[in-house]
Amino acid sequence: AQRVTQPEKLLSVFKGAPVELKCNYSYSGSPELFWYVQYSRQRLQLLLRHISRESIKGFTADLNKGETSFHLKKPFAQEEDSAMYYCALSGGGSNYKLTFGKGTLLTVNP
Amino acid sequence: NAGVTQTPKFQVLKTGQSMTLQCAQDMNHEYMSWYRQDPGMGLRLIHYSVGAGITDQGEVPNGYNVSRSTTEDFPLRLLSAAPSQTSVYFCASSKLQGLTGELFFGEGSRLTVL
Repeated sequence: AQRVTQPEKLLSVFKGAPVELKCNYSYSGSPELFWYVQYSRQRLQLLLRHISRESIKGFTADLNKGETSFHLKKPFAQEEDSAMYYCALSGGGSNYKLTFGKGTLLTVNP
Repeated sequence: NAGVTQTPKFQVLKTGQSMTLQCAQDMNHEYMSWYRQDPGMGLRLIHYSVGAGITDQGEVPNGYNVSRSTTEDFPLRLLSAAPSQTSVYFCASSKLQGLTGELFFGEGSRLTVL
């Protein structure tokens, strides 16, 4: 079974502070990991995926297979980063189930 | 380019009534799926499809039926609505690349069952 755990339901930081949204996963094979974001009144959208090793809107995430983690980080949070963030896992190959965590609501205070 | 379109956006049902949530995509995506979003529960996969005529169950399929007669459409049917099915429902689609590609979401359908 595949599982994604986001231990923090709520995370509040001040503008300019570093932010880290935690994500741990459970999967027996080689998973593909994603972060999705839902801004207020907008559709859920892809933020980044581990295979791309990209930085989007200043966010990065590194897959740590030893710790089975895929934490999302940004060195300097902005107010516009306030949103609901979901970590998601796919088993890849013919495993077409994309499993989401319960989400973390990030609030960046001015 | 409309992307993923869901209808209706809002619906109120009485217990025992049936209804269909419609989902259509115009991106020629092979993969389509339905999720429900509940407070504190995140997004849970209900059913998914990897092509016309092919559907499979997700994490919470009970009480829901789906079919995929065309590439574009993937309706979700509630045969006998229950209050536990009060939720926000999202349809999503993707190119079939082992889901390494981006999943595109609809705007959501908010369903209340009284």
